[in-house]
Amino acid sequence: GAGVSQSPSNKVTEKGKDVELRCDPISGHTALYWYRQSLGQGLEFLIYFQGNSAPDKSGLPSDRFSAERTGGSVSTLTIQRTQQEDSAVYLCASSSPNLNEQYFGPGTRLTVT
Amino acid sequence: AQSVTQLGSHVSVSEGALVLLRCNYSSSVPPYLFWYVQYPNQGLQLLLKYTTGATLVKGINGFEAEFKKSETSFHLTKPSAHMSDAAEYFCAVSEGGTDKLIFGTGTRLQVFP
Repeated sequence: GAGVSQSPSNKVTEKGKDVELRCDPISGHTALYWYRQSLGQGLEFLIYFQGNSAPDKSGLPSDRFSAERTGGSVSTLTIQRTQQEDSAVYLCASSSPNLNEQYFGPGTRLTVT
Repeated sequence: AQSVTQLGSHVSVSEGALVLLRCNYSSSVPPYLFWYVQYPNQGLQLLLKYTTGATLVKGINGFEAEFKKSETSFHLTKPSAHMSDAAEYFCAVSEGGTDKLIFGTGTRLQVFP
């Protein structure tokens, strides 16, 4: 079956530009997560959506970062006015309550020049 | 707050030798514990998980881990290393089956012939 997909796989952008990263979770999964993996910071939680509840945004590093999840399925992570320290691999995962585990997508590698 | 400590950022073993990757956690509630593996340029794959019940859990590729509450540990072992086990391994903790994951800094496993 289809797993978690993310697009684009690679994104190079200039400092100061906005970027949008997309995540398509596994069909039927009610929970969706964004994480960031960088050399300096390891694997960090960013934001978490669970059904119709208010998202847990406690991991977002600044107000330049935002995310939305439309129709309980696809999610978009937006980074405004990108900085070089935003360069990282952005990972998306999804889950459902009876699974007790998260399935990860392949990630989007973001490079800010 | 939850946290995870992985002792040893790099571990090297000979093919056929025992693999032991250490993980200690901190949690104010009964933890859910996970080990993920990441092969070069790939996403995260779940190796095994502990939620409740039996404290010795078996995962894929011959790996297993034991939850020891008294030691707040969840060390990963494999009796006999294979060249294909070379990868980065991440220990993670969450407060529930669909809660966000808090990751350790990872351990890179090298396997020598």
